This record gives sequence, structure tokens and C-alpha cells, in this order.
Amino acid sequence: EPEVTQTPSHQVTQMGQEVILRCVPISNHLYFYWYRQILGQKVEFLVSFYNNEISEKSEIFDDQFSVERPDGSNFTLKIRSTKLEDSAMYFCASSDPPLAGDTDTQYFGPGTRLTVL
Amino acid sequence: SQQGEEDPQALSIQEGENATMNCSYKTSINNLQWYRQNSGRGLVHLILIRSNEREKHSGRLRVTLDTSKKSSSLLITASRAADTASYFCATGSYGNNRLAFGKGNQVVVIP
Repeated sequence: EPEVTQTPSHQVTQMGQEVILRCVPISNHLYFYWYRQILGQKVEFLVSFYNNEISEKSEIFDDQFSVERPDGSNFTLKIRSTKLEDSAMYFCASSDPPLAGDTDTQYFGPGTRLTVL
Repeated sequence: SQQGEEDPQALSIQEGENATMNCSYKTSINNLQWYRQNSGRGLVHLILIRSNEREKHSGRLRVTLDTSKKSSSLLITASRAADTASYFCATGSYGNNRLAFGKGNQVVVIP
């Protein structure tokens, strides 16, 4: 069964450093997402991406964050200058295009645990 | 129940029993999805129910949706130790494609 994959599984970085989290969505999916889950808290939406551009972003997704689809298979989340509060599990997800404005099933990857020291 | 300011629900049951968990939401929705998360792991999609549906089944799972009460329930029948996990509901709304997650229900199935 096709699945979303993410690398690395765990990333440790120093505050102020840049990190890139990588995702390979399910191959025939066209919508891509990033969510994060701070330990013990809700899963929060960050951004959605379609047709090589951001289709929606949350208030969390500020100028420190960026996303990119550098090739036909990868989808990346970059945090330019990490802060302590960026420590969280970051999930990538993908889905088929919404039908008539609906949100379809989103399939999540296993996550990357980011630890900022 | 999930969402709003409710505390996450924790449920401990014996293997073979049924587990029921609830989710409430505040806005109009297009669909509601349930996910399972094993400790420290990824989110596994379980089932999606659309706003015009009232009940849906998938294997040992039964989900109901009451849009008048803005609530949903997930029933796991004949629970197994492997069902031990956190269960999250997530709502999808019209006009956007973000999912809004609840705080989760922790279920422990004792062998």
C-alpha cells in the first residue's frame, strides 16, 4: 500500500540553525500538507500546497517557514532560524485533489521529531 | 470528548470489550475523520464520514455523526491489545483543505 515517507525520523539542531524536513508524498497525490504536534498538544495545521504554490497557511506559518517541491517526488519544509518553541513532531500529509471544494482523506507520514536545543 | 476546551478522555478497557469515544466541534463541517496514533508515531487514517452521512462502518469501527449536536462518536468493537493508542478526530470545512484536530482520546486495552 502506498504511503507517505519522511526523513529524518529525528532531527536535533541548535537554536538559530536552519533545518529542512523532507517528505515523499504518495505518488499520484496532488495536495500536500505540513502539520505539527508539540508534545502533549493538538496536531496543528501549518500549510497546504498545490500546483507548486501555497494554497493555504495558518498563523503559525510565518516568514521563518517555507515549503518547496524541488522535484517530482519530494516536498520539503524549511525553518530558517529555529527557535526552542519549534521543537515538535512535524507531519507531512498528502491527498487527492478536493472534489467540489471538499477536503478529501489526508494520509500522514510517520513524522519527523525536531528537537531544538 | 475532543475539541474546544475539554480535557482529553482516557479510557481503559479489557480486551474484547467495546470502546466508545466522542468528539465535538464548533463550526460547520464538510467531513469528519478519525485517526489513530500509537505512542510517538504517525497518524493512521481510520475512517471519514461526510456531513450528509449519519453512520459509517469499517471493519470493527463504527462512526456516527450528529451535525445538529456537532458531535461524533467512534466505536471500536471487540477491542484488542493492539488497539491501544490515541484516537483523534479531525474536521474538514468547506472552502479550505486544512484539518482541525481535537486533543485526542487515549485508549488502553488490557490483555
